[in-house]
Amino acid sequence: DIQMTQSPSSLSASVGDRVTLTCRASQRISNYLNWYQQKPGKAPKVLIYAASSLQSGVPSRFSGSGSGTDFTLTISSLQPEDFATYYCQQSYSTPRTFGQGTKVEIK
Amino acid sequence: EVQLVESGGGLVQPGGSLRLSCAASGFTFSTNWMSWVRQAPGKGLEWVANIKEDGSEKFYVDDVKGRFTISRDNAKNSLYLQMNSLRAEDTAVYYCAREAGYCSGVRCYFWFDPWGQGTLVTVSS
Repeated sequence: DIQMTQSPSSLSASVGDRVTLTCRASQRISNYLNWYQQKPGKAPKVLIYAASSLQSGVPSRFSGSGSGTDFTLTISSLQPEDFATYYCQQSYSTPRTFGQGTKVEIK
Repeated sequence: EVQLVESGGGLVQPGGSLRLSCAASGFTFSTNWMSWVRQAPGKGLEWVANIKEDGSEKFYVDDVKGRFTISRDNAKNSLYLQMNSLRAEDTAVYYCAREAGYCSGVRCYFWFDPWGQGTLVTVSS
């Protein structure tokens, strides 16, 4: 199985900050990487698919990059509604696997 | 509106069984792979199982193989998860999710969208 490792596990940031989250795969997965946002008590919502494609309706302050084993999700200017937990997920092979999540908290 | 609505969760004793359902609407259910994903309390997301459009292929995470069975009824736009021999560690919110995607040449990309609201399964005596 492909292991997905996210870093950091949590971070504190202020509104307006540029935030970068990292996800690393245990083997090369090309660009078969998705990012999700989850708020407490809610289902996850896809932000980015295929490593860098922005899901329709998602604000352009979110962007994704990377290929192979290393990926990043960047929020260019953090907004109050962005405080949440973010998960990466590989779709290169089954079982589909998720990272453990990065919780973005208010500083 | 594309929507998924789960039902069937509840409290069950260890060793017991439960059947989850997921009703789909707003899209052509029969043309999409579907998945179940779970989340234990305070923990991360774990993919559980998926099923091909016509039900001919099914895959499971190792931990549930032989205990859980995924199925679908395309005539009813419904997805199911039969869970047997339940353990305390199966306690989680269970989400159904469509595997949205597209193919570009030989590459096919899939992601989970949308997700249902989730149904809580609690395994406890």
